[in-house]
Amino acid sequence: AQSVTQPDIHITVSEGASLELRCNYSYGATPYLFWYVQSPGQGLQLLLKYFSGDTLVQGIKGFEAEFKRSQSSFNLRKPSVHWSDAAEYFCAVVPPQTDKLIFGTGTRLQVFP
Amino acid sequence: DSGVTQTPKHLITATGQRVTLRCSPRSGDLSVYWYQQSLDQGLQFLIQYYNGEERAKGNILERFSAQQFPDLHSELNLSSLELGDSALYFCASQSTGGSAFFGQGTRLTVV
Repeated sequence: AQSVTQPDIHITVSEGASLELRCNYSYGATPYLFWYVQSPGQGLQLLLKYFSGDTLVQGIKGFEAEFKRSQSSFNLRKPSVHWSDAAEYFCAVVPPQTDKLIFGTGTRLQVFP
Repeated sequence: DSGVTQTPKHLITATGQRVTLRCSPRSGDLSVYWYQQSLDQGLQFLIQYYNGEERAKGNILERFSAQQFPDLHSELNLSSLELGDSALYFCASQSTGGSAFFGQGTRLTVV
């Protein structure tokens, strides 16, 4: 079935450690790809997006993501996590030939001092 | 500030009632999405409008309906409310070919 998957429901890291959040998609062609962050009680904020071109995408707040066609993945990374990065992170896709923005189930990030 | 405005921020109502949630998109954005976020269902796409017309439909119940007006604001109508409809309802707006920007949401509590 066509879908976007975030395999990790909950991740805990220490402040200053590196971070990688996984996202996989299952569509016949490459969808548009996005990462959003949601802080408690807040709306969703766009971190970065990939439509085409350079497979390494830079976003806000020091985040980046790499599109890997061979693995159908779009993993989010940050070299050094700050306590304020604690939030829920959503991978999202716009499947080919549609206008729907479909979200993964989210990964909750906890940061320990 | 995303530029997308949702009202009201909070809504408490009784089962069986009807409510209307309102969304004002970013200036110039023609497309509006509605999402429902609950603990057990996650972020569910409900419906999308583009320049006043329905563009795509997701997991929207028949008790729910939406419309987009000529000034591009949108309303989501929820009727015959049930306890399970309690959730955060988000609106997002999008420019053509661009990214979607979300409002702060309306928290609906059905009692």
